[in-house]
Formats: sequence, C-alpha cells, structure tokens
Amino acid sequence: KQEVTQIPAALSVPEGENLVLNCSFTDSAIYNLQWFRQDPGKGLTSLLLIQSSQREQTSGRLNASLDKSSGRSTLYIAASQPGDSATYLCAVRPEQGAQKLVFGQGTRLTINP
Amino acid sequence: NAGVTQTPKFQVLKTGQSMTLQCAQDMNHEYMSWYRQDPGMGLRLIHYSVGAGITDQGEVPNGYNVSRSTTEDFPLRLLSAAPSQTSVYFCASSYSIMGGMLSTIYFGEGSWLTVV
Repeated sequence: KQEVTQIPAALSVPEGENLVLNCSFTDSAIYNLQWFRQDPGKGLTSLLLIQSSQREQTSGRLNASLDKSSGRSTLYIAASQPGDSATYLCAVRPEQGAQKLVFGQGTRLTINP
Repeated sequence: NAGVTQTPKFQVLKTGQSMTLQCAQDMNHEYMSWYRQDPGMGLRLIHYSVGAGITDQGEVPNGYNVSRSTTEDFPLRLLSAAPSQTSVYFCASSYSIMGGMLSTIYFGEGSWLTVV
C-alpha cells in the first residue's frame, strides 16, 4: 500500500530564506506527483505537477524535484515571503489505480516578517 | 469558467439525517472524485468516477453513495449521517492528456459538514 510522508509537520522561518519541503513515498510505481498549497479554511491549489518521466518542474520561485527510485520529492521555495505561509501537501498518483491519489499529511509553513 | 463548484459550503446535520453534497465542473473533465479531510488523517478518497455512468469506491466509502449521470455533476450522498462523518469534503476533477498522462487535479472550495 502506497504511503506518503511529509517531514517536518511544521516549519517556521524568517522572511527571505530559501527553504525545502520534503515528501517521501513508499512505492515508486507512480504516474505523477503533485504539490498543493492549502490556506486555512480553503481548498487546495495546485502548485506543480511532475510526471513520472520528469525530474523537476519550476514555477516562479518554486522548484519541485522528483527521484522515483528513492521515493522522494522536494519542494524548494526561494526568497520566502509572508504570503507563502500555508500548508503544503504532496500527493502521488499510483500506476495501479491512478484515480486513487494518496496524500501526505502536509507541512504547515510559517514565514515570519 | 467556474471550475469545480461545491454546495453547500457549510451544513449542520442531526444524526440519522440524509443529505447530498453537490459538485459540478464546467471543464468537461472525465475524472471526478470526492475526498474528506480530517485533522491528523490528511485527505482520503471516498469515491471516484472515470466517466458518466462509472463510479468506484475509494479508501473510505462506507456511509456514502455517489452517481454520475452527466459528465458535469458528481453528487455525494450521506445516507444516514453519523458524528464520524463530521469533516471537510472536497470534490476534485481531472482529465487525460496526450501520451496517456493525467492532468493536474482541480479542487473545489470544500464543504464543511458537522453532524450532531
């Protein structure tokens, strides 16, 4: 059974720092991996999607990498801002049962001004 | 373009009552799904659909029914509400892209349900 783990559960850093959020998964047979942002009381907003054949994706100050063989993905946030404060979730689409996404429990990020 | 729309946003039910959470998408996506989000449990899949007329169970289907009579709509029915169904419910949709790959997932804003 696929399991997704995100460490740390919470992270607090001063504004301007570069930071890395981690996501690990137990089964490397995945279609893709997606990173989401969730603000309190809101839905999930997609940040980056990495297909299984890709190594990384970039959008603005965000860069996500994928290492299928080791079962790891990282989300790199450059020059963090208070507006980046949110919970970040990763989710994997397994090859078997591609509609059954498996989510990590998220990292709650706080950027202090 | 409204995306994925969920109604109601907030609902309080008494134990044993039934209700339907509505979900509609206007993007012509073939795949739709329902998740619940609970503290410490993350998001868990309840039911999903790969097209009109086709539904299947996810990780936590008990106590819920779904149907997909059109591409646009995917309602979630609570048959006899229980306090354990107090949660935030999210509807999501996605589609197939070229080369057999699957798209990003689009989520609704969520429905907050409390069962007393």
